[in-house]
Amino acid sequence: GDSVTQMEGPVTLSEEAFLTINCTYTATGYPSLFWYVQYPGEGLQLLLKATKADDKGSNKGFEATYRKETTSFHLEKGSVQVSDSAVYFCALGAWTGKLIFGQGTTLQVKP
Amino acid sequence: ETGVTQSPTHLIKTRGQQVTLRCSSQSGHNTVSWYQQALGQGPQFIFQYYREEENGRGNFPPRFSGLQFPNYSSELNVNALELDDSALYLCASSSGQRGTDTQYFGPGTRLTVL
Repeated sequence: GDSVTQMEGPVTLSEEAFLTINCTYTATGYPSLFWYVQYPGEGLQLLLKATKADDKGSNKGFEATYRKETTSFHLEKGSVQVSDSAVYFCALGAWTGKLIFGQGTTLQVKP
Repeated sequence: ETGVTQSPTHLIKTRGQQVTLRCSSQSGHNTVSWYQQALGQGPQFIFQYYREEENGRGNFPPRFSGLQFPNYSSELNVNALELDDSALYLCASSSGQRGTDTQYFGPGTRLTVL
């Protein structure tokens, strides 16, 4: 069945460091791919999405490119801030309409 | 534009009781999906409602049931609560039921079962 695998955390970086969070997926068909962020005690916020191969989603300095050949959707940011500290979830939008999430990656950014 | 809202924020129940959680969808959205998020885990799909009909269900027992109303708000009902039902319950609304449709999440209801 469809699934999403994320790199395990926690990821600890210094402010202004480069961020990569790896995400790979297994799916039948051509799913949409999403990154959501969850701050402590809150629900999920959409960070970015891509609906087809080679699409690049971007928002607030974060980027991810839909790579069909490597079944990946890695999240990147050139310079992280303390305010980026949160849990990041990669998700796949299955043809059935449900979202399938990875297990989440905790990012901690230190000043 | 009002986003997705959920009530209550927190709830404490005892094993064997029943609970109802509520969700108001974002304006213009006709689809509501429910997810269960255990501590330290990613959300798990419970079911989806599209125009008042169930449109898919995850691997949850029948004691998890739901409704969608004509205004597209929704309820999640859980009967015979078990300790493992303790989790954050998230509601998401979208403008359609396809995998390409972005789902927008509410803040969640934290359910604790004692």
